[in-house]
Amino acid sequence: GEDVEQSLFLSVREGDSSVINCTYTDSSSTYLYWYKQEPGAGLQLLTYIFSNMDMKQDQRLTVLLNKKDKHLSLRIADTQTGDSAIYFCAEWAGSYQLTFGKGTKLSVIP
Amino acid sequence: GAGVSQTPSNKVTEKGKYVELRCDPISGHTALYWYRQSLGQGPEFLIYFQGTGAADDSGLPNDRFFAVRPEGSVSTLKIQRTERGDSAVYLCASSLGPGEVNEQFFGPGTRLTVL
Repeated sequence: GEDVEQSLFLSVREGDSSVINCTYTDSSSTYLYWYKQEPGAGLQLLTYIFSNMDMKQDQRLTVLLNKKDKHLSLRIADTQTGDSAIYFCAEWAGSYQLTFGKGTKLSVIP
Repeated sequence: GAGVSQTPSNKVTEKGKYVELRCDPISGHTALYWYRQSLGQGPEFLIYFQGTGAADDSGLPNDRFFAVRPEGSVSTLKIQRTERGDSAVYLCASSLGPGEVNEQFFGPGTRLTVL
């Protein structure tokens, strides 16, 4: 079955890089996503990566995908206090529904 | 409107009552999804509509849950005989359709509390 795992908490100092990790189990995943959820707000799509890619960069965000190990990471460069939120990894294996992890709460220390 | 909207933002009800939650998707989006997010968890899929029909309702937990989308736009999630375990944030998302990227845009959610 499908399962997405993430560490629950991460704390970094402002200006440092944050790396949020995720593992998934469905080898047929076509796209993998990173969503951000701020308190009281809906989920915001940050970025996604197609399964035949191993890296995608978008401004301060870098996504790395290791398909062999089914490992996905999100690196945020120069982390700011506004980056404090819960980050969800999600996979899409073609059945239209997304399968989400439990989320990683990122706390940025000023 | 620019994004997905959901009403009400909060709903408090008593055990055994009936509730309806509404979702207005982004104009032109043919695909609509309902997810449920319990405290400390990620969203869990409930049901997916393509147009007016429910293409996949495999995530609905039991027959107390039902959803409709009669005109292919607004959708209503209906919960009968609510139970305390139904308390959660109910999220709606929409996308252009079953395209390659499946980029889903989420609404702010309805927080349901069953007393």
